[in-house]
Amino acid sequence: DQQVKQNSPSLSVQEGRISILNCDYTNSMFDYFLWYKKYPAEGPTFLISISSIKDKNEDGRFTVFLNKSAKHLSLHIVPSQPGDSAVYFCAASYSTDSWGKLQFGAGTQVVVTP
Amino acid sequence: GAVVSQHPSRVICKSGTSVKIECRSLDFQATTMFWYRQFPKQSLMLMATSNEGSKATYEQGVEKDKFLINHASLTLSTLTVTSAHPEDSSFYICSAFQPSNFGSNQPQHFGDGTRLSIL
Repeated sequence: DQQVKQNSPSLSVQEGRISILNCDYTNSMFDYFLWYKKYPAEGPTFLISISSIKDKNEDGRFTVFLNKSAKHLSLHIVPSQPGDSAVYFCAASYSTDSWGKLQFGAGTQVVVTP
Repeated sequence: GAVVSQHPSRVICKSGTSVKIECRSLDFQATTMFWYRQFPKQSLMLMATSNEGSKATYEQGVEKDKFLINHASLTLSTLTVTSAHPEDSSFYICSAFQPSNFGSNQPQHFGDGTRLSIL
């Protein structure tokens, strides 16, 4: 049962424009959300996170928005750069899980074109 | 920042061989490490949680006798794929959980993964 879903397997965006990646979750117990970037044959690299007590977190070109009522979060990348081409994973966890287990979405392949 | 080293990065071996993958936390002590498996164009699926000094906890559907996990020290966890077969070919990734980081922005630090190919 996939509790974290990324329904768009791919996204193509022009350099300089905004990339918007979406993620939905089904488990209302999740209270911490993360976005990771992954290149082929490498491990995920942490990008940005958000706690459920917030609805927005910003770090440079990356902004994550959380809509708890809709169980939806999104990652905005502005402006998009060629180096942003990668697979982006959304992940969720419970703060009550002291082990920090993460549930991942299926990923969205982003291609930034010149 | 925290670094996790995973070795080897790629393994190609014959069917029936056992393969050991190492995951080391280089600059912090990790009481808990996680092992994930990723199939092409799919998500990272948690296989098991490895706790230092105790037995690993396996996710539903993961054969513990097939995927042996040992976490003998606070900086090293190993995953051994026993009697590997072509269907075990996949990308395996470990991560280390640093307790002092819990509640900060990044609960886990990932290795670079191991590409396992069984012929």
